[in-house]
Amino acid sequence: EVQLVESGGGLVQPGGSLRLSCAGSGFTFSNYWMYWVRQAPGMGLVWVSRINSDGSSTVYADSVKGRFTISRDNAKNTLYLQMNSLRAEDTAVYYCARGGRLGDYWGQGTLVTVSS
Amino acid sequence: DIVMTQTPLSLSVTPGQPASISCKSSQSLLQSDGKTYLYWYLQKPGQSPQLLIYEVSSRFSGVPDRFSGSGSGTDFTLKISRVEAEDVGVYYCMQGIQLPLTFGGGTKVEIK
Repeated sequence: EVQLVESGGGLVQPGGSLRLSCAGSGFTFSNYWMYWVRQAPGMGLVWVSRINSDGSSTVYADSVKGRFTISRDNAKNTLYLQMNSLRAEDTAVYYCARGGRLGDYWGQGTLVTVSS
Repeated sequence: DIVMTQTPLSLSVTPGQPASISCKSSQSLLQSDGKTYLYWYLQKPGQSPQLLIYEVSSRFSGVPDRFSGSGSGTDFTLKISRVEAEDVGVYYCMQGIQLPLTFGGGTKVEIK
């Protein structure tokens, strides 16, 4: 069974940092591109970042470019999102998603709250 | 960026009746490989999104056949032939032809 489990969310002050993790299991993690998508409270889905299967290519939404870094450790079957210089508008549930059929499996999400 | 526009915003449906959601993209989603990269997701209350339909009309594994997708170019439709109580939630279309990936605003489906 394919599973994606996010962790690392929490309350952080504006300007602070947080690292999210997404552990994959039930599939060959290193074969798949991976994505981060976020959802602000009561709002729709917004794509954040994408990484290819070996981690050599990354792309970011303009809103997070230069502040967020996506990476992966295929030996640990884990995807990461390093978030720096956090702003109030980054408050959201962050989902990781597999890129098989583009979002064919999603994690349960982890809540990031940026507030003083 | 490609803009995805969904209508209606919300839908109230009697169980057993059909439902239809429209999604329009600001650019064609037809790729040079012949595939059209339009996806449909359902986010049930309190849950993460789940893939229903990929590449316009292909049902993902385990998705009931009462769900169907159609369309081409820039106009797409998700149809539920007979709505069931478990179909409540917010439906999103998404384009996958270019980055940034963009989603429609969502259509909330409720049961009458």
